[in-house]
Amino acid sequence: DAGVIQSPRHEVTEMGQEVTLRCKPISGHDYLFWYRQTMMRGLELLIYFNNNVPIDDSGMPEDRFSAKMPNASFSTLKIQPSEPRDSAVYFCASSLGGVNTGELFFGEGSRLTVL
Amino acid sequence: AQSVAQPEDQVNVAEGNPLTVKCTYSVSGNPYLFWYVQYPNRGLQFLLKYITGDNLVKGSYGFEAEFNKSQTSFHLKKPSALVSDSALYFCAVRAVNSGGYQKVTFGIGTKLQVIP
Repeated sequence: DAGVIQSPRHEVTEMGQEVTLRCKPISGHDYLFWYRQTMMRGLELLIYFNNNVPIDDSGMPEDRFSAKMPNASFSTLKIQPSEPRDSAVYFCASSLGGVNTGELFFGEGSRLTVL
Repeated sequence: AQSVAQPEDQVNVAEGNPLTVKCTYSVSGNPYLFWYVQYPNRGLQFLLKYITGDNLVKGSYGFEAEFNKSQTSFHLKKPSALVSDSALYFCAVRAVNSGGYQKVTFGIGTKLQVIP
């Protein structure tokens, strides 16, 4: 397997624009997590899914943020409208759960810069 | 609510010396504990985990960690540090929440600097 794949790797946009980040988890994994990393706040859990269903979105900072997982092989994180304070590295990770609970496998991240 | 504390922002150690990166956790029920390493401009990479069994777990690159239930700690250790170990280290806890789902919470990270 190619691992968790995220796109784009880098995104520079202007305030007010819509941003969509994409993630392809490892095949067969039933959990998918979205994290945001900043120097000030470290690694923050935004939302996670189990079997494509959102379980906990309490970490999503505002209504401007939304995430979907239409099928087991694809998830998006959308910011609309974007603001400079959204600048961060966004990571997607997937894993097995239940009796096969294991480690998270991370993508390489999407570095977002909002001007 | 579950949480992870990494009390040191940075740990400096001389090459060849033993290293310890500290982690304590708070969780209801039995925890699954993990250590990850992050190199610049990369995603997090798994080092080792404690699920059950022996309290001392061994992982990649010569790292090990000891689970201490009474102290709710899971410190990362290595007998002899290498310059190439310099990176950002994250401790994480995974536990089942009230809904039966598994949430994963990370510490803020500790920067390890190995001095030649």
